[in-house]
Amino acid sequence: GQNIDQPTEMTATEGAIVQINCTYQTSGFNGLFWYQQHAGEAPTFLSYNVLDGLEEKGRFSSFLSRSKGYSYLLLKELQMKDSASYLCAVLDSNYQLIWGAGTKLIIKP
Amino acid sequence: NAGVTQTPKFRVLKTGQSMTLLCAQDMNHEYMYWYRQDPGMGLRLIHYSVGEGTTAKGEVPDGYNVSRLKKQNFLLGLESAAPSQTSVYFCASSRGETGTNQPQHFGDGTRLSIL
Repeated sequence: GQNIDQPTEMTATEGAIVQINCTYQTSGFNGLFWYQQHAGEAPTFLSYNVLDGLEEKGRFSSFLSRSKGYSYLLLKELQMKDSASYLCAVLDSNYQLIWGAGTKLIIKP
Repeated sequence: NAGVTQTPKFRVLKTGQSMTLLCAQDMNHEYMYWYRQDPGMGLRLIHYSVGEGTTAKGEVPDGYNVSRLKKQNFLLGLESAAPSQTSVYFCASSRGETGTNQPQHFGDGTRLSIL
């Protein structure tokens, strides 16, 4: 079966750095997405990785290792507004998105 | 800047009732999707459409039907609501096949409770 694993919840301090991991086992791979979802709101697109390596976009960076079936989202200089759930999703061989259950990130002052 | 609009935002139904959830997008996207989101689980695809007049089943299609009569609209129907269909429903759209790295744009969701 297809499976995406993320930690259920993480806590970090305002101003710090946090890394949210995602491991996947899917039938094929055509890219990995990260989305942010604030409570009660719609998911919004953060990043897309299809090649190995690090993609940096402002305070957020996303890393991919296809050989290890692993990705992480790195958030720097954490702000209170970063409190949200972060969803990892993998595009499988049929170009269907397989979603992880999400990681709830709690930021403390 | 409407993007993807879902109506209604909230609804309570009794078991056995029927209803239609509406989704409209103004971005001229070809692809549209209906998901459900339940606590502790990832988004699950119910049905999707790759263009006007087309529909296809996703991961959890049973108990739902869809129609895409116009490119900008994607309707999700519940013929006979069951408590197991209590969930938050999200509609999304994208420019084309997601494999071309086009992200999906989501509506604000419909919170549906079946009593």
